[in-house]
Amino acid sequence: DVKVTQSSRYLVKRTGEKVFLECVQDMDHENMFWYRQDPGLGLRLIYFSYDVKMKEKGDIPEGYSVSREKKERFSLILESASTNQTSMYLCASSLVGNGYTFGSGTRLTVV
Amino acid sequence: GDSVTQMEGPVTLSEEAFLTINCTYTATGYPSLFWYVQYPGEGLQLLLKATKADDKGSNKGFEATYRKETTSFHLEKGSVQVSDSAVYFCALSSKAAGNKLTFGGGTRVLVKP
Repeated sequence: DVKVTQSSRYLVKRTGEKVFLECVQDMDHENMFWYRQDPGLGLRLIYFSYDVKMKEKGDIPEGYSVSREKKERFSLILESASTNQTSMYLCASSLVGNGYTFGSGTRLTVV
Repeated sequence: GDSVTQMEGPVTLSEEAFLTINCTYTATGYPSLFWYVQYPGEGLQLLLKATKADDKGSNKGFEATYRKETTSFHLEKGSVQVSDSAVYFCALSSKAAGNKLTFGGGTRVLVKP
């Protein structure tokens, strides 16, 4: 089975901190995605990547950046964390045309 | 653009009841359709999928049929268990949207013993 691993289940960070959320997949998938999940808003796509060093903005990229230096790793970066970025962050990977495999999520609280 | 609409929850049922969660979509071309399930405190898991019209996806007693004429992909289960309590997401992916998944808002299901 494909495994998508997110480095932290829970994180608490201070306003203004630079935050790194890491995601690693072990099945050589081309595509990787970062979503945030908020009550009443469902899942919203932040960024995605179709290949190494490639990135595309999703629906809500403001305040975020990403890095994909290796195929298996896709990092989400909050340049200066704010309280409105408190959320559940979900990473996913896929082969082209297939469904996604999700990680377990990182619940980030910004205080 | 692509969109998915699913019934709002929460849906509260007794054990062994019949479950239906409605899902309709708007998409360009012929999308693939998916149902994902999220158990408390976990990420999303693929429950079932269908890639063309009239296909039926099934898994763990759940079923959904790809209905192109009504642009629907309703999820059904004949007899739910307490362990089916979760949030269910309908989703689609289309080539026109670069094969990215578009999700519905999710439906919370609570099954009581």
